[in-house]
Amino acid sequence: EAQVTQNPRYLITVTGKKLTVTCSQNMNHEYMSWYRQDPGLGLRQIYYSMNVEVTDKGDVPEGYKVSRKEKRNFPLILESPSPNQTSLYFCASSLFGQGWYNEQFFGPGTRLTVL
Amino acid sequence: SQKIEQNSEALNIQEGKTATLTCNYTNYSPAYLQWYRQDPGRGPVFLLLIRENEKEKRKERLKVTFDTTLKQSLFHITASQPADSATYLCALGGYGQNFVFGPGTRLSVLP
Repeated sequence: EAQVTQNPRYLITVTGKKLTVTCSQNMNHEYMSWYRQDPGLGLRQIYYSMNVEVTDKGDVPEGYKVSRKEKRNFPLILESPSPNQTSLYFCASSLFGQGWYNEQFFGPGTRLTVL
Repeated sequence: SQKIEQNSEALNIQEGKTATLTCNYTNYSPAYLQWYRQDPGRGPVFLLLIRENEKEKRKERLKVTFDTTLKQSLFHITASQPADSATYLCALGGYGQNFVFGPGTRLSVLP
């Protein structure tokens, strides 16, 4: 089944404790992206990657890191999480390009709480 | 700064009627506009994509229009059903611009 998977689905952590949220897709997509979704603010793009070893900032990259060493994986790293990073996170992928001239496939989401 | 607005946070309609959702934008030159559906606790699901040079796109009971002069897209669901109840998001993409989503409209179709 074609899908985007994220792990973990739920995470409660404390301020400053480094964490990684994994994202993997099995559709051989070139483009991958991370979003956060907050009430009243909608979905905001954190980082995106147009291909292996190519990443770029979205609208809200502060406090996050990403890497794209393999085509299928695009982990999101929070080196020192803070409470304002409490949010619902989505990973997405699309066939190629910048994600806006192809449909994006979204993962199930990761709900992160930083205490 | 770029801004996307969707007509209202919530829209209630009666089953069988046509639901019309609006997406307005400023300070953006989209080449493409997309519509997604999102159910509670789930990731968005792609519905339709329309290009800047297209006026209208249809898919089954869904219709999207795109007016770059008015800077507006309308999303229609005809013969609406309770199963259409969800949040609908519009999203814009364009050359040299970040891909951005609107805040969404929560649609409730009442039986």
